[in-house]
Amino acid sequence: NAGVTQTPKFQVLKTGQSMTLQCAQDMNHNSMYWYRQDPGMGLRLIYYSASEGTTDKGEVPNGYNVSRLNKREFSLRLESAAPSQTSVYFCASRIRGDTQYFGPGTRLTVL
Amino acid sequence: DQQVKQNSPSLSVQEGRISILNCDYTNSMFDYFLWYKKYPAEGPTFLISISSIKDKNEDGRFTVFLNKSAKHLSLHIVPSQPGDSAVYFCAASRWNSGGSNYKLTFGKGTLLTVNP
Repeated sequence: NAGVTQTPKFQVLKTGQSMTLQCAQDMNHNSMYWYRQDPGMGLRLIYYSASEGTTDKGEVPNGYNVSRLNKREFSLRLESAAPSQTSVYFCASRIRGDTQYFGPGTRLTVL
Repeated sequence: DQQVKQNSPSLSVQEGRISILNCDYTNSMFDYFLWYKKYPAEGPTFLISISSIKDKNEDGRFTVFLNKSAKHLSLHIVPSQPGDSAVYFCAASRWNSGGSNYKLTFGKGTLLTVNP
């Protein structure tokens, strides 16, 4: 039981490049989330998916798109990366209640 | 507008003593509060939570207190251990306006250092 996994762990992009961050969970959870963590800013919600086939914007969705590919996988795409998107990205999942389970994070640097 | 505030960026305590981490919130619609612990290069892990209908919840060395009238909660760690050194995030939840899902709102975190 791996829990929530994220790939890649690290990534460096140039401004304007695109990439997709992958997230998968093996806990059969319905809801999945993408957060970013910036120094001194806590965790801010980018997008979430309450269930397979649905996605909704969070607090900071601009510049991102998401896909809930199936119940297990929830990807985050940066179409044209900007230096302001340099951050650590966390994926999380939840089955019920309020507890969310987090992945180990992806550290992204945009030059 | 920051709805969940952790006003102390850092806290340092001696091993064996009590650690008290504080959190304030502004939104009276929050109905559940959680504490997460985060080590460097790892994702946050759930520590303890409390419903808005309670004023205390205890789990081993960790106790969370909720004062709804003051919109304040605190996490007590007794006794503190060096392995408790981490960033602690306070989070609050409520059903979103559509009622379809819980969302968590996080504070900025407090770095706890427990000195041997």
